Amino acid sequence: GQNIDQPTEMTATEGAIVQINCTYQTSGFNGLFWYQQHAGEAPTFLSYNVLDGLEEKGRFSSFLSRSKGYSYLLLKELQMKDSASYLCAVRTYSGGYQKVTFGTGTKLQVIP
Amino acid sequence: DSGVTQTPKHLITATGQRVTLRCSPRSGDLSVYWYQQSLDQGLQFLIQYYNGEERAKGNILERFSAQQFPDLHSELNLSSLELGDSALYFCASSAGEAGANVLTFGAGSRLTVL
Repeated sequence: GQNIDQPTEMTATEGAIVQINCTYQTSGFNGLFWYQQHAGEAPTFLSYNVLDGLEEKGRFSSFLSRSKGYSYLLLKELQMKDSASYLCAVRTYSGGYQKVTFGTGTKLQVIP
Repeated sequence: DSGVTQTPKHLITATGQRVTLRCSPRSGDLSVYWYQQSLDQGLQFLIQYYNGEERAKGNILERFSAQQFPDLHSELNLSSLELGDSALYFCASSAGEAGANVLTFGAGSRLTVL
């Protein structure tokens, strides 16, 4: 099976930078996603990594190290609207099909 | 609007009852996924369909069943409901067969079992 670990909660200050880590143990790894979910709303796609390295997209960047089973999401110039849960999701390939498994998410609170 | 439509948005029912949740995927997407999210819990994968066929199964209870119809919409049936079934149920769709592409989520159906 898959095991995905993220911190449960984090707090950061408006305008600052925050890094949300995700570690995973899985077989058949085939990519990692980050999603944002505001309370009571649908998750929305933020980023995708399949190769080692950093993917930058505006204020958000995501990093992957496949050998270490590790990823992080970096949020710069934090805004109050960034208060949300951030879900790490791992895609695996097994038995002829691919599956996406979500971590429990990290609840980020941005304070003034 | 993500393009994935879920109905109903809210549903309140009693223990022992049966409900059906409906999902219409984004235009052109062939895969439909169902996830359950209980209060302050992560997204638990239930089941996935591709072009009408079941492709993957997660921790879906035997009391739950789903299907995808020829027009690609999907229904999740929950029966003999228990208090613990109260949750947000999300449907997501993707163009590829199984997570080959980004999942696009619907707004969810909030089920309350009293």
